[in-house]
Order: sequence, then structure tokens, then C-alpha cells
Amino acid sequence: GENVEQHPSTLSVQEGDSAVIKCTYSDSASNYFPWYKQELGKRPQLIIDIRSNVGEKKDQRIAVTLNKTAKHFSLHITETQPEDSAVYFCAASLSGAGSYQLTFGKGTKLSVIP
Amino acid sequence: KAGVTQTPRYLIKTRGQQVTLSCSPISGHRSVSWYQQTPGQGLQFLFEYFSETQRNKGNFPGRFSGRQFSNSRSEMNVSTLELGDSALYLCASSPGYADTQYFGPGTRLTVL
Repeated sequence: GENVEQHPSTLSVQEGDSAVIKCTYSDSASNYFPWYKQELGKRPQLIIDIRSNVGEKKDQRIAVTLNKTAKHFSLHITETQPEDSAVYFCAASLSGAGSYQLTFGKGTKLSVIP
Repeated sequence: KAGVTQTPRYLIKTRGQQVTLSCSPISGHRSVSWYQQTPGQGLQFLFEYFSETQRNKGNFPGRFSGRQFSNSRSEMNVSTLELGDSALYLCASSPGYADTQYFGPGTRLTVL
């Protein structure tokens, strides 16, 4: 089955700096890669996702890049703010076959220092 | 639209008991997935239901089971509870033909 590794497990940045979180996946057939943000005591919330036919996607301060050949994808947050502090999870899935499941990385705890 | 809801939000049980958790998906969503979240293992997939049929199952023992009703609401059941079952149980819904999953707030299960 699919295996997703996520690095780093913790990340501290100064407010205004950029943060990068990287994930690798094992199943070359996976074609959907979402990122979730989970604040303490709250539900995971989708912040951005990318499909395998796209190499990069941006949404304001957040961007995701995908390298299918190397089987890795990354989350980039620019101009970080204290409210970006949370745990971020990457995930991978194979879709289109009428059935799918998300396989998650172990998470990255991001701390933005004011 | 109202988001995914889960009941109860907190539950305390003792070893050997059984428990039933409930999930109501976003209106119109036909797929419900269940995940177990623990500090050590992260988010692990339990199973997925679509139109009352289990389409996919994760690597969990048979003590973990679920079902989905005709209105897409889903329940999961854990029998013969063990201490290691203490976790946050999250359900997520999606339309069923797209991949975006939206999570509920979770049920925090503590097994004593």
C-alpha cells in the first residue's frame, strides 16, 4: 500500500519568514495530494490540494509543488504569521477507481515566532 | 451548508465495553470515511462507505466495524475496547466522485 513520509516533524520560523514542508510517497499511481491544517483541539481543514497533472498550485501565501518523477511534493508558506502555527498534514491517494483512501504523513508542527 | 457533525464529542469507556460513534456528512455527500488519530500513529484510515457499501478498509482488527444508512449518515462500532483504542476518531465526507474530504470535529474516546 501507499506510504507517505513527511519532514520535518517540527519547524520553527520567525514571523514573516517562509516555511517549507516536504512529503514523499511510495505509490507512483497516486494522483491526488491534499494538505490539511489542524489547530489544537480542532478538526483538520483542507488548505490546498494538487492533482498529478499539475506541477504547482498557489493560493495567496500558500503554494504546493509536485514532482511526480521523484514522488515528492512540498508545501510552501510565505510571509508566515502567528495564526499559521498549527500541525500540517500531507496526504496522498489514488482516485478515479470509484474507491479511494487518504494516506497521511505523520504531520509537521509549525511554530511561527512573533 | 452545514459541516460534518459527529456525536458524541467525548466518550469515556472501560476495557471490554463496546462503543458506537455517529457521523452526519455534509448534505449531498455520499461518501464517509473514518480515521483514527493518535499522537504516535497520526491519522490512520479505518474504512470508507459509499451508498451504504463499504468500499475500502484499512488495516484494523475486526473489532472495528461500521455501516452507512440510506441518508448517508454513518456509524462506527468498536467492540471489546482496549486501552490502545483511546484516540480521536474523525470522520470525513466527500461527494463520492471527487477527492476532497471534509472532516468533522471528531469524537475523543478514552478507554480506562
